[in-house]
Order: sequence, then structure tokens, then C-alpha cells
Amino acid sequence: AQSVTQPDIHITVSEGASLELRCNYSYGATPYLFWYVQSPGQGLQLLLKYFSGDTLVQGIKGFEAEFKRSQSSFNLRKPSVHWSDAAEYFCAATGTASKLTFGTGTRLQVTL
Amino acid sequence: DAGVTQSPTHLIKTRGQHVTLRCSPISGHKSVSWYQQVLGQGPQFIFQYYEKEERGRGNFPDRFSARQFPNYSSELNVNALLLGDSALYLCASSPRTRDYEQYFGPGTRLTVT
Repeated sequence: AQSVTQPDIHITVSEGASLELRCNYSYGATPYLFWYVQSPGQGLQLLLKYFSGDTLVQGIKGFEAEFKRSQSSFNLRKPSVHWSDAAEYFCAATGTASKLTFGTGTRLQVTL
Repeated sequence: DAGVTQSPTHLIKTRGQHVTLRCSPISGHKSVSWYQQVLGQGPQFIFQYYEKEERGRGNFPDRFSARQFPNYSSELNVNALLLGDSALYLCASSPRTRDYEQYFGPGTRLTVT
């Protein structure tokens, strides 16, 4: 079955520190991959996406993600976290049009 | 451009009642998808509509139904509400040429008591 796994339920980092959120997928073929961010009580905002080509993709708000086929991973990174980055982050994938499969999310807490 | 809009923002219903949620896609987007997000979990796919036709359905009971109108807006209907239907219902729209790239609205928070 197709699935997306986010192993870390909750991560705490200090402001200014680097961040890496993990995402692993299980699909028959390489899916389209996405990272979304959700602030409390809000909808989902698309941070970045991977369809093909360069395995390092840049997104909004200074985020980037690296696709590693050999590890079936698509980890999200940011060199220096800001307090406003505190939110829930979701990794998602789709192998067919529009039906996104989401991970369970990683809640990011930023300490000052 | 305006993003995806959803109404109402919040609503409270009683078990057994019916509810209708509404969504307006981004201008020019012809595909609309619905997701259910239970507290503490990731969104779960319910339906996708494209050009007024159902293109996909998730693992939800027949109490859930949807439709898309000629202006590409959409409604999600849930009958015989259960406590477990309490969730944030998200609508997403996609551009025609990249319908895997979805843009989400703010959601409707449904509470069933």
C-alpha cells in the first residue's frame, strides 16, 4: 500500500539552529512529493514540491528538500530556524492525479 | 488572486444531522479535492472532482457525497453525522495542467455533539 511516514512526531529546536524533518515514502514508482506547513487552526500552505530532475529543491520561506531515491526519502531542511517557523509540517505524495497521501505530521517547536 | 475559499469557517451539529460544506477554487482551477483532517492526524483524501465529474474517492462511507458546479465550486455533504465526523474539512484546487499540485483553503471546522 502507498504510504508516507514521518518518524518524528515532535521536534524542538532553538531559534537560529538548523532543522531537518524526515519523510519516507512507500510507492510502486517515484511519486510526486510535497511538503506543506500548517499553522494552528489554519489550512495547508505548500512549501515545495518535487516532480523530477534536480534532487535538491528550493521552496518558500528558506526551506529546501532533498530527494533520495535509494533511501525513499524526501527530507525537509532549513539552515536557520526562525520563531515564526513553529507549526505542523506534513510530507505528502501522490502517484496519480490529485489523491495526496499525507504523513502524520511533525510538530516543530522553536525555543528562543 | 484570491486563494481557495471555504464556508462556513466553523459549525456545530448534532449527531444524526446533515451538513453541507462549500468551497470555491482559485480562479482558473477546474479540479477540486476534499480532505478530512482529524485532530492530530494528517489529512485523508475524500473526493476529487474535475470538470464536474468525480475522478477519485477515498475510503469513506456513502454518507459522504460531493458535487461540483459549472463555475467549479464544490459542495461536500455529510448525512447522519457521527461524533467521529468531527474534523477539519479541507478543500484544495488544482490547475488543469498540473492537477497533482494542490492549493488548500483554510478549512471548515466541524464539531459534532
